[in-house]
Amino acid sequence: DSGVTQTPKHLITATGQRVTLRCSPRSGDLSVYWYQQSLDQGLQFLIQYYNGEERAKGNILERFSAQQFPDLHSELNLSSLELGDSALYFCASSVDPGQFHNEQFFGPGTRLTVL
Amino acid sequence: AQKVTQAQTEISVVEKEDVTLDCVYETRDTTYYLFWYKQPPSGELVFLIRRNSFDEQNEISGRYSWNFQKSTSSFNFTITASQVVDSAVYFCALSEAGVIDSWGKLQFGAGTQVVVTP
Repeated sequence: DSGVTQTPKHLITATGQRVTLRCSPRSGDLSVYWYQQSLDQGLQFLIQYYNGEERAKGNILERFSAQQFPDLHSELNLSSLELGDSALYFCASSVDPGQFHNEQFFGPGTRLTVL
Repeated sequence: AQKVTQAQTEISVVEKEDVTLDCVYETRDTTYYLFWYKQPPSGELVFLIRRNSFDEQNEISGRYSWNFQKSTSSFNFTITASQVVDSAVYFCALSEAGVIDSWGKLQFGAGTQVVVTP
């Protein structure tokens, strides 16, 4: 158990809908990262937050957004869902990449299925 | 452009055989970090090792060992005396420290599926 929690574990929804994925980092970790794992794209970095602020952005679609709250949990919002958004979404956390470039600890993932 | 290449898609071995996973990376940064993660069938990603670009010492942890060679931009991973529990997808990843707004971002290779049969 990495200490990173993600809810829900599975999510099945229809095209055009909007969903919210939730992540709680390990105790003491200030950075949260979101990754998407799909068969055709592999593991792709989406976005990173550090202590409530956006730190880095990757291949995140405009239909997707995220935020990190004062208690450090994070939410990833996916809207106008398409079939191609079906994937495993991981959240990871680390202490402070700026100082230590620490390893990231991954949550169990949320498997999103868009029908 | 793909920055991390894992050319082996799948490797099948019989238990107790050694298996080596190749990882080749590409970066212009002088400071970078390399990682290996394991993804067992249950799906979670498990951290195995981190290595920075200034430390070329090989590392051994139990049955796992890593060979980092900057001259060939490779960071290979060997499992000695493989076991069925080693069956998983293994990912190599790169994090480049030269660009501040990319700190911590992991760029993953495509992964290598290891199948260990009894």
